[in-house]
Amino acid sequence: RKEVEQDPGPFNVPEGATVAFNCTYSNSASQSFFWYRQDCRKEPKLLMSVYSSGNEDGRFTAQLNRASQYISLLIRDSKLSDSATYLCVVNRRNAGNMLTFGGGTRLMVKP
Amino acid sequence: DAGVTQSPTHLIKTRGQQVTLRCSPISGHKSVSWYQQVLGQGPQFIFQYYEKEERGRGNFPDRFSARQFPNYSSELNVNALLLGDSALYLCASSLDAGATDTQYFGPGTRLTVL
Repeated sequence: RKEVEQDPGPFNVPEGATVAFNCTYSNSASQSFFWYRQDCRKEPKLLMSVYSSGNEDGRFTAQLNRASQYISLLIRDSKLSDSATYLCVVNRRNAGNMLTFGGGTRLMVKP
Repeated sequence: DAGVTQSPTHLIKTRGQQVTLRCSPISGHKSVSWYQQVLGQGPQFIFQYYEKEERGRGNFPDRFSARQFPNYSSELNVNALLLGDSALYLCASSLDAGATDTQYFGPGTRLTVL
């Protein structure tokens, strides 16, 4: 079983739609949680960190459920420019800064 | 300020050869990590260096090695290349080596092994 699992998609949605991605992690020692965005043939870029209390950044909302070892990302009012692969990332306690990535979920926003 | 830079951008090698990839971190960042991303998968951790010392190593064979220089730049070496080593190699830098330090990725080196 992979340490971080995501539905690979693709999710095909129309502009303006709301879309949600889920991610589960298996290591209960996981301490820090992130969503990264990766455009085709580009490097990953940090979208947002994920906190237990949940956090929002504009159209993006991230939630963490430690009891269920589950992370989510909600995108409201999807834009064409949101088309990308979204990577769920965790960092284990005492693992320094060694990130563990999920396989990514591909989003395609259509006009 | 310049971001993380990597060289070369693309590289084509044949099986059995050796390759050296280079990374320059963001100015002031002391930690460099290397990741391998095979097509269709998420990046996989290879090494982390902090203050010129190895702080972590992923599940990769001894053919993979790395080092960090006094100016905090880093090199990743891969010996005896296999077809399966074809991937995007990403370097990430962070201010320190803590779990909450944001990692910033370079554009990567795309390695093709024929």
